Amino acid sequence: GNSVTQMEGPVTLSEEAFLTINCTYTATGYPSLFWYVQYPGEGLQLLLKATKADDKGSNKGFEATYRKETTSFHLEKGSVQVSDSAVYFCALGGKLIFGQGTELSVKP
Amino acid sequence: ETGVTQTPRHLVMGMTNKKSLKCEQHLGHNAMYWYKQSAKKPLELMFVYNFKEQTENNSVPSRFSPECPNSSHLFLHLHTLQPEDSALYLCASSQAGRQGGYGYTFGSGTRLTVV
Repeated sequence: GNSVTQMEGPVTLSEEAFLTINCTYTATGYPSLFWYVQYPGEGLQLLLKATKADDKGSNKGFEATYRKETTSFHLEKGSVQVSDSAVYFCALGGKLIFGQGTELSVKP
Repeated sequence: ETGVTQTPRHLVMGMTNKKSLKCEQHLGHNAMYWYKQSAKKPLELMFVYNFKEQTENNSVPSRFSPECPNSSHLFLHLHTLQPEDSALYLCASSQAGRQGGYGYTFGSGTRLTVV
């Protein structure tokens, strides 16, 4: 069946460091892929999405590219800020299937 | 008000109590979902409603009872819960049949503590 695997957290970075959070998936067909973010005490917010192979989703400086050949959708940001500290979830559509989440902590 | 609203934000209940969680969406969506988020565990899909009809129940214990009176409202009725039911309960909505491309909109959740 469909599944999503994310890198283990927590990830701790200094401000302005480069971020990569790995996400790989197993799926039949070509479902849409999503990254959600959960700030402390809040629900999940859609961060970005890609609906087909080679699409790049981007928002708030974050990017992820739908790679069919490697079945991956890694999240990247060139320069993280303290305000990016949150838990990040990779998800596979139609019926959303979530990865286990990766906690990011950015230190000043 | 727009988006998905969940009430209450926090709830503490005894194991013999009966309480209800409420979810309301003002997005014109016609599919609604309950998720459970426990510490150190993946998000667990509990129930799915499409056009007010329950289409999925992922082996959820009967002490959790959902209700969807219309496409804008979703309830989760709780009774005789166990301490291990303590978690963040998240409601989400989407356009039925289109969630594959558009994702879900989530509420802020109800933090439930069973004592």
